[in-house]
Amino acid sequence: DTAVSQTPKYLVTQMGNDKSIKCEQNLGHDTMYWYKQDSKKFLKIMFSYNNKELIINETVPNRFSPKSPDKAHLNLHINSLELGDSAVYFCASSQGVGGAVWETQYFGPGTRLLVL
Amino acid sequence: EDKVVQSPLSLVVHEGDTVTLNCSYEVTNFRSLLWYKQEKKAPTFLFMLTSSGIEKKSGRLSSILDKKELFSILNITATQTGDSAVYLCAVEAYSGGGADGLTFGKGTHLIIQP
Repeated sequence: DTAVSQTPKYLVTQMGNDKSIKCEQNLGHDTMYWYKQDSKKFLKIMFSYNNKELIINETVPNRFSPKSPDKAHLNLHINSLELGDSAVYFCASSQGVGGAVWETQYFGPGTRLLVL
Repeated sequence: EDKVVQSPLSLVVHEGDTVTLNCSYEVTNFRSLLWYKQEKKAPTFLFMLTSSGIEKKSGRLSSILDKKELFSILNITATQTGDSAVYLCAVEAYSGGGADGLTFGKGTHLIIQP
């Protein structure tokens, strides 16, 4: 009964490659997010989609492009990978658009990306 | 399968009260337990706990881990309306190549009434 799933779990790749991370939620939520976790365990929001529409686009390099084929999926494509992209990336979903303080985001298990 | 359970799921108290939030876990190869405060956007990192019995403190917030009984508590004293949020507990596990991702609990919705 996995709520938010991500694939792959681990991704090791060379600098300069292009890679994608997939996220799927089976909760019927309208909103999905991508976060990058830094070495200090801080979660930095990257993107948010509501019903396939981009609503949050923080300052991330253009090499990162989210794609939402439907509201249950939000994929993250990264072009020309750099060493600094190495991190754990988390996908999350919530029912609404995060405007209410009592709304929980459900997180996936994370994808550990290592760029060599 | 790794599991993180938070309780209570929701809590409504008055300003000035002290609250205790609970997080229990079942994880293979435990590495650390993290607490986050989630308001309108990204969760804010609060604490990372790796050792039993050592309290971490930040202002009115404190947290402690019990690795024998597999739980952690987050205490907030003299609560203020700004403490209203969802508090998330997450557990990090080791895998062969280093730390795994995180397994998150469902959160405790805390509402502080004036």
